[in-house]
Amino acid sequence: EDQVTQSPEALRLQEGESSSLNCSYTVSGLRGLFWYRQDPGKGPEFLFTLYSAGEEKEKERLKATLTKKESFLHITAPKPEDSATYLCAVPGEGFKTIFGAGTRLFVKA
Amino acid sequence: EAGVAQSPRYKIIEKRQSVAFWCNPISGHATLYWYQQILGQGPKLLIQFQNNGVVDDSQLPKDRFSAERLKGVDSTLKIQPAKLEDSAVYLCASSFLSSKRAYEQYFGPGTRLTVT
Repeated sequence: EDQVTQSPEALRLQEGESSSLNCSYTVSGLRGLFWYRQDPGKGPEFLFTLYSAGEEKEKERLKATLTKKESFLHITAPKPEDSATYLCAVPGEGFKTIFGAGTRLFVKA
Repeated sequence: EAGVAQSPRYKIIEKRQSVAFWCNPISGHATLYWYQQILGQGPKLLIQFQNNGVVDDSQLPKDRFSAERLKGVDSTLKIQPAKLEDSAVYLCASSFLSSKRAYEQYFGPGTRLTVT
């Protein structure tokens, strides 16, 4: 069964304290991996698509990387406005997009 | 560019009542999705339309949920009758049809449904 697991469930950082979020997946034939950001009371916002192992994408303080079994979202020198839930997702069987449960990030000033 | 519009934003109903949600996708997006997001979980796909046709509804509880997309644009999702476990945020998303950009989904703000 296609599955996406994210860790940790929650992460509390001080402003400027860099860290990484993990997304591991089990799918047959990876066709891409996607990262979204979700703020409270809002729908997810698309961040990145990664298609092959070794690929990296960057946006401001965020950098996403992909291996054959997992993806990491690295957050460098985070600011309070980076506080959100970060979701990763993969294309599953057929046309389904399968989301992980997310990592809730809290950045304290 | 206008985003995905959804209404209502909030709805409170009693169990066994019916409810309907409306979604207007981004202009030019051929694919439309309805997701259910339970508190603390990621979105779960309920149904996916490509233009007017359904391409995946394998996780839609068809005994109580129905959805339609008229003229390949707006869509409605209905629940009848509602159960307590249907309390969730219902998200609508849309995307382009091309194979790579299909997964770049744009989400609306969602409708928070509370069933009492």
